[in-house]
Amino acid sequence: SAVISQKPSRDICQRGTSLTIQCQVDSQVTMMFWYRQQPGQSLTLIATANQGSEATYESGFVIDKFPISRPNLTFSTLTVSNMSPEDSSIYLCSVVGSLGGSANTGELFFGEGSRLTVL
Amino acid sequence: GQQLNQSPQSMFIQEGEDVSMNCTSSSIFNTWLWYKQDPGEGPVLLIALYKAGELTSNGRLTAQFGTTRKDSFLNISASIPSDVGIYFCAGDLTGNQFYFGTGTSLTVIP
Repeated sequence: SAVISQKPSRDICQRGTSLTIQCQVDSQVTMMFWYRQQPGQSLTLIATANQGSEATYESGFVIDKFPISRPNLTFSTLTVSNMSPEDSSIYLCSVVGSLGGSANTGELFFGEGSRLTVL
Repeated sequence: GQQLNQSPQSMFIQEGEDVSMNCTSSSIFNTWLWYKQDPGEGPVLLIALYKAGELTSNGRLTAQFGTTRKDSFLNISASIPSDVGIYFCAGDLTGNQFYFGTGTSLTVIP
């Protein structure tokens, strides 16, 4: 499986500011996603990061609030804009790969996540 | 997004006991995945299922892809303290579009 690195791993931010989270993968991947996990909750898909084109957002998430870049097949960024305390969450980068080089694809792997606290 | 209902929400069991949890959806999924998440970490993939009726094992873990393709089950046999964590199911709806269950919190009492 791919190794996925996220930065920052955690941050404390002031209300009204914006923060950009970086995701670096050690191999080229076609599919890359951003998820949000609010405290004590499950994972919610924010958007699919498309290489060379605008991200595809899920219902309830908009580009102005969560702009995403995907300049190449190994890197993506998620910005959380104009943050409020409700944005305090873990933000997770994920990619589709396969276990052990099997022919099966469609397995989702995650980075360690970026834990944001907004004051 | 899609809603996957997972049950039970939490479990408290004695070490050595077996554990069963399940995940249901109103939609048909192409793939079912099961994850474990430890505090402060990202989810780790445990088992992947690709065909209706498929039964797959990974050590003490066994998972099944329901025949209706709307549900999946995870069993853990002979639980140990390190099994503690939150278990999530996830379904692939349209091909590389994954939605997650509500999670099952497992506590193992030594």
